[in-house]
Amino acid sequence: GEDVEQSLFLSVREGDSSVINCTYTDSSSTYLYWYKQEPGAGLQLLTYIFSNMDMKQDQRLTVLLNKKDKHLSLRIADTQTGDSAIYFCAERGPGGGADGLTFGKGTHLIIQP
Amino acid sequence: NAGVTQTPKFHILKTGQSMTLQCAQDMNHGYMSWYRQDPGMGLRLIYYSAAAGTTDKEVPNGYNVSRLNTEDFPLRLVSAAPSQTSVYLCASNMNTGELFFGEGSRLTVL
Repeated sequence: GEDVEQSLFLSVREGDSSVINCTYTDSSSTYLYWYKQEPGAGLQLLTYIFSNMDMKQDQRLTVLLNKKDKHLSLRIADTQTGDSAIYFCAERGPGGGADGLTFGKGTHLIIQP
Repeated sequence: NAGVTQTPKFHILKTGQSMTLQCAQDMNHGYMSWYRQDPGMGLRLIYYSAAAGTTDKEVPNGYNVSRLNTEDFPLRLVSAAPSQTSVYLCASNMNTGELFFGEGSRLTVL
């Protein structure tokens, strides 16, 4: 079955760039997503990329997709304390509902002062 | 802008008791889903509904779901077990991967 893998933790200094990596196995993925979960809250969609793109930039966020290697990354420039959260990678297969989404286990982004 | 609302936020119950977690959305989304979130395990899909009145696949043991209307999607724990201690997240979406999540219900089964 489909699988999405992420590192569990990433620690960066405030002001540095954070790069969160994700690998997936489903070659039929149509969209890939990054969700953010702040403490005590549900997940919120941060950004997404269509599978025929290799890069998407949105303010401090840059998403890179290497479809050949099935590797997705999220770069956060100038990391701030407010970026401290769990970041989930997700890929969407052919299904339209929630069963079409496979989430990774999430990466805890820890910001050092 | 209520979005997805879950109640209760916290609850403790004893093994064998039953309870219902409530979820409501006001965005007229067709799809609604329940996940559980456990440390180190990420999100695991429990069940989803594609539209009011539909039950799309077999419901996992220990749970019961209903989708009588578009807005509400309650999840019932029939006879709670300690293994069901978790954070339960409800989400809704249209036919896209953008899920809108509630804030979660933290459930402890003693």
